[in-house]
Amino acid sequence: SAVISQKPSRDICQRGTSLTIQCQVDSQVTMMFWYRQQPGQSLTLIATANQGSEATYESGFVIDKFPISRPNLTFSTLTVSNMSPEDSSIYLCSVRKGYTGELFFGEGSRLTVL
Amino acid sequence: GIQVEQSPPDLILQEGANSTLRCNFSDSVNNLQWFHQNPWGQLINLFYIPSGTKQNGRLSATTVATERYSLLYISSSQTTDSGVYFCAVARGRGGANNLFFGTGTRLTVIP
Repeated sequence: SAVISQKPSRDICQRGTSLTIQCQVDSQVTMMFWYRQQPGQSLTLIATANQGSEATYESGFVIDKFPISRPNLTFSTLTVSNMSPEDSSIYLCSVRKGYTGELFFGEGSRLTVL
Repeated sequence: GIQVEQSPPDLILQEGANSTLRCNFSDSVNNLQWFHQNPWGQLINLFYIPSGTKQNGRLSATTVATERYSLLYISSSQTTDSGVYFCAVARGRGGANNLFFGTGTRLTVIP
C-alpha cells in the first residue's frame, strides 16, 4: 500500500481565487494522478503528473485552469485557478504502486467555492 | 473509454444482512479494483481483482473477465459498511493511466 497525505483536507474559497492542493507520498512513485469528484458523482481523471515534464491532461481539462507541478518522485501539487462554484468538488491524489498497477488514493481535499 | 455500470445504485440493509454488488464493463481489462468511499470522502482499497476470487474477512469479490463482470459480496453487514462502493477498471498491462470508475452503489446499513 502507500501512505498519501493531502493538504488541505477541506477549504472554503471565494469565487475568483485560486487554491493549491499538495500531495505527499511516503515513498518514491513513478505515476501520480489527480482526480476530481463532483458532488454526488463518480471520479474523473484530471491529469497525470509527470516528474520533470509537463502534466498530461485528459479531455476537458486544461493547464491554465489546473496547473500541476511534480518536482520529485514523492510530491505533487494541483492548483485550481480562478475558481467558480462549479469547481466545488473533492480533489484526490492517486499513485500507482507495484508491478500490478494498483492505484491508491489520498484522503482527498474537499473544496467549496462560494 | 470503457463503460462501467454498477448495480444497484442504492441499497439499504438491516445490520447483519448479506448483499451482492455488481459491476459490468464494456471491454476487456487488465485492472479492476473495488473501493469503499466512507462518509468523509476517503477512498479505501478493497480488492485488486482483474480475475478470479479473493476474500478479506466479511468481504469477497469475484471477477469473470471473459464475461466482463465483477461481484462484491458483503456478509453480516455492519453500520460501518455504509458508504459508496466503486468499481474501477483499466486496460493495459501494469495498469493503464486512466482508471474508469463506475457510478457507484450507495449502501446504507441500518442498526
